[in-house]
Amino acid sequence: AQSVTQPDIHITVSEGASLELRCNYSYGATPYLFWYVQSPGQGLQLLLKYFSGDTLVQGIKGFEAEFKRSQSSFNLRKPSVHWSDAAEYFCAVGLTGFQKLVFGTGTRLLVSP
Amino acid sequence: GAGVSQSPSNKVTEKGKDVELRCDPISGHTALYWYRQRLGQGLEFLIYFQGNSAPDKSGLPSDRFSAERTGESVSTLTIQRTQQEDSAVYLCASSAGAREQYFGPGTRLTVT
Repeated sequence: AQSVTQPDIHITVSEGASLELRCNYSYGATPYLFWYVQSPGQGLQLLLKYFSGDTLVQGIKGFEAEFKRSQSSFNLRKPSVHWSDAAEYFCAVGLTGFQKLVFGTGTRLLVSP
Repeated sequence: GAGVSQSPSNKVTEKGKDVELRCDPISGHTALYWYRQRLGQGLEFLIYFQGNSAPDKSGLPSDRFSAERTGESVSTLTIQRTQQEDSAVYLCASSAGAREQYFGPGTRLTVT
């Protein structure tokens, strides 16, 4: 069965420091990959997506992610974190036809002054 | 334009009661999805509607859960005889066919 692993439950980063959130997936083929962000009391907002082509994808709010087939990973990065980035981040795998998404358990990002 | 909307935003119900949760997708989106998010966990897929095709109900946890959608419009998720383990945030999403999903703000269900 398809699965998504986000090994870090919580991460604390100082404001202005760089960020990397890890995501590994288990799937028999190259899936469609997504990162969503969820702020407190809010729904999920799409940060970026990978369907095919260039393995480094750019998203909103200065985020980027790199698809590494050999490592079955799709890690999210940001060079300089802002206090407003504090939220929960979810990695998700889209199955063929986008019929449903399989989500990781999320990583809660805390930003310290 | 308007995003996905859900109502109510919060619902508190007694164990054993039935509840209905509503989702209004983005206009023109043919696909609609329901997910459940338990406290501290990721999202679990519940059900998926695509146009007039038979819905994919593979994620519904029990026969107490059902959902309907009329055409490409509003969907209702019904939970009968609610149990405490049904307490969660129920999220609805819609998409324009095989494209990224856009999520609503969710309905927080608390079963007492």
